[in-house]
Formats: sequence, C-alpha cells, structure tokens
Amino acid sequence: GNSVTQMEGPVTLSEEAFLTINCTYTATGYPSLFWYVQYPGEGLQLLLKATKADDKGSNKGFEATYRKETTSFHLEKGSVQVSDSAVYFCALVNSWTNTGKLIFGQGTTLQVKP
Amino acid sequence: DTAVSQTPKYLVTQMGNDKSIKCEQNLGHDTMYWYKQDSKKFLKIMFSYNNKELIINETVPNRFSPKSPDKAHLNLHINSLELGDSAVYFCASSQAVLAGDPETQYFGPGTRLLVL
Repeated sequence: GNSVTQMEGPVTLSEEAFLTINCTYTATGYPSLFWYVQYPGEGLQLLLKATKADDKGSNKGFEATYRKETTSFHLEKGSVQVSDSAVYFCALVNSWTNTGKLIFGQGTTLQVKP
Repeated sequence: DTAVSQTPKYLVTQMGNDKSIKCEQNLGHDTMYWYKQDSKKFLKIMFSYNNKELIINETVPNRFSPKSPDKAHLNLHINSLELGDSAVYFCASSQAVLAGDPETQYFGPGTRLLVL
C-alpha cells in the first residue's frame, strides 16, 4: 500500500540554522509528492510539490527533490526563521489510482528559537 | 477572500448528541474532501466527493454522513457523538481531474470538535 514516513519531532533549531526534515515514501505507480505546513491554530497550506522523479519543488526558501531511487522527498531550508515554527507534513497522491486521496506522514514539529 | 471556509470553528458538545460541520469553497473546484486530525496531529482522509458524487469513503463509522448539496458545499453530519470523535476536522478542495492541477488540495481552517 501507499505510505509516508517522516522523521520524529520535535525539531528544535536556532534562528539561521540549516533545516532538514526527512521524508520517505512507499507507493505503487508514480505518486506526486507534497509538503504542507500547518501554523499554530490554522489549517494546512501547500508549501511545495513535485510531480515526477528529479523534480525540485521550492517556495519561501524551502526546497525538496523527488528522489525515486531512494523514495525520498526531504525538506530543506538554508536559514530558518522564528516564523517558520510550525508542523510540516509530507504527503503523496498516487497518480496511478488518481482518486486524489492524500496520504500524509505523521507530521514533524519545528521550533525555531531566536 | 476566503477560499475554503468551515463553520463552526469550535464545537463543544456532549456525548450522544448529533452535530453538523459545514464547508464551502469559492474556488470553482469540483472535488471536496473531509480529513480528520487526531490529538497526535495525524491526518487521515474520511470522504471525498466529486461533483456531488461520493468517490472515497475510508471505512468511517456510518454515524458520519457527508452531504454535498452542490459542488461548492460539502457538509459533515455526525450522529451519536462519542468521546473518540474529538479531533480537528478539515475540509479541502481540488480542481477536476481533467483540469490543470487536480492534485493540489486547498484546506479550510479546521473545526475543533470536543466531545465531553
């Protein structure tokens, strides 16, 4: 079946530190991959996405590359800010089945301290 | 302008009651979803409707009944509420499968349900 696994949180960093949140997936067919972000008390917002192998998604200084050989989609940012503190979700949609069903990882909480 | 809206934002109720959560999207999307987020932040799909037709039903207890009066609205009715129903419920929408970007889902702000 389809599944997404993220690194355990919380991740605590100082401002301007480098961020990596690991995400690996299991899927049949050719999934599209997403990172969503949930700020405290809010809904989810799409952060970035990639729809095929070797695509790089990027937004607001965050990047993730779709690696088919390692079935990974790790999220990175070169210099985090306090305002980046949130819960980050890796997710996939299996284009093979095309039902639009998003499969989420368990979420990783990021805390950035000044 | 709010793209995907939900009401109410908070809902506190007693066990055994029946309650509804409403969702509306003004994006012109054809597909709408309900997700449940538990206390550990884990998100799982419950239902999906495409143009008022049910396409995903993820083994949710039949106390939960989605209703889509038109493609801009997807409401969730819950009968005989139980303690375990306490969670945050998110509505989302996406474009039609044959449109430009059918895979990106846009989420509402969530409804925080507490069953006492």
